[in-house]
Amino acid sequence: NAGVMQNPRHLVRRRGQEARLRCSPMKGHSHVYWYRQLPEEGLKFMVYLQKENIIDESGMPKERFSAEFPKEGPSILRIQQVVRGDSAAYFCASSPPLKYGYTFGSGTRLTVV
Amino acid sequence: TQLLEQSPQFLSIQEGENLTVYCNSSSVFSSLQWYRQEPGEGPVLLVTVVTGGEVKKLKRLTFQFGDARKDSSLHITAAQPGDTGLYLCAGEGPSSGTYKYIFGTGTRLKVLA
Repeated sequence: NAGVMQNPRHLVRRRGQEARLRCSPMKGHSHVYWYRQLPEEGLKFMVYLQKENIIDESGMPKERFSAEFPKEGPSILRIQQVVRGDSAAYFCASSPPLKYGYTFGSGTRLTVV
Repeated sequence: TQLLEQSPQFLSIQEGENLTVYCNSSSVFSSLQWYRQEPGEGPVLLVTVVTGGEVKKLKRLTFQFGDARKDSSLHITAAQPGDTGLYLCAGEGPSSGTYKYIFGTGTRLKVLA
């Protein structure tokens, strides 16, 4: 019973490129969440998705960031035209419906050079 | 805006000592979780508390949710080097069902052998 799978673990992008981060939730989990962790700043909520629906994107920057959770396949967090300030660890978590607490993946560490 | 403050930020103790870390807010939370995160990995859920005054035990760890559901504490008895990590509290609320959590900035614990 695999946990939450994120890939890649490490991603290096040059300024202006696109970053695509993937997340496969645990089997049976239909809710996916993305969080960003900056050093010394803790985890910040970005977006909450269910299959084919964005439920809450109040933590997503208005520009360059988008997320999807298609009917088939993993959830994708997409960052267009990356800047140095986007460098961070991005964590995906999943949960079953109506249950407290998350199962987190191991994260994708994005470095923008 | 709901905020969760954790204290202390850093704690270094000898193996066998007891310790308590705190998670405080001026806001009410419908539920609160504690996670432990190790370097390079995602947070791992330790416990969820939902009722004011609730106490839960997990081996040597004791978690308490404040009566007013604004604060929580984690007490570790006879700490071991394996307890080393970043301890995060996360609150949902004040209404349940959003599944969106506010994370504290964490307490970084180091237990020396």
